Amino acid sequence: QSVLTQPPSVSGAPGQRVTISCTGSSSNIGAGYDVHWYQQLPEAAPKLLIYGNNNRSSGVPDRFSGSKSGTSASLAITGLQAEDEADYYCQSYDSSLSGLWVFGGGTKLTVL
Amino acid sequence: EVQLLESGGGLVQPGGSLRLSCAASGLTFSSYAMNWVRQAPGKGLEWVSAISGSGGSTYYADSVKGRFIISRDNSKNTVYLQMNSLRAEDTAVYYCAKGTLWFGESWGQGTLVTVSS
Repeated sequence: QSVLTQPPSVSGAPGQRVTISCTGSSSNIGAGYDVHWYQQLPEAAPKLLIYGNNNRSSGVPDRFSGSKSGTSASLAITGLQAEDEADYYCQSYDSSLSGLWVFGGGTKLTVL
Repeated sequence: EVQLLESGGGLVQPGGSLRLSCAASGLTFSSYAMNWVRQAPGKGLEWVSAISGSGGSTYYADSVKGRFIISRDNSKNTVYLQMNSLRAEDTAVYYCAKGTLWFGESWGQGTLVTVSS
């Protein structure tokens, strides 16, 4: 299983607000390491959405926002649109592992 | 506009080797760390390897350490991933990502590596 835990799926109707959680531990998010979020549309490459916990990447609408508290982080999407239907991944660093990046397992967002 | 184009993927037998390339344009290549991330069919993202802008520092996931080698040629704006002793579990789409050692700002479209007899 993944070092960071995300719900496998979330859903919402157009116009609604949804949040995706990313739960870590004291060796990654809880240790103060930044969390980054990626969006992967169907059959496409990942795209950076949020970096450094709450900074939107260039061109990302302000409907997307990130936050971090304790050992968890969240991605919020307001004013849901059909084109937001995608997989979302959180990513951070873990000091107990030898690699650089650790990912969550991904969350499939369905727009009803 | 930054563009990253991976190549070199294909079908290879277990135990074989393959070299992936990622050609970059629209950026000062040597200023950025480069990463490789893979995604097995129907699965999530897995970080594989990273190299600093100068090429002086390299990093590997435990799953590929000792088998894969990352390198870069800043004169050609290209990063490479030499993959040796390939296993079935290395089957994945391999993405290169430009950015820092800590996250990927821009990603290529990926190249598929299939390890099968």
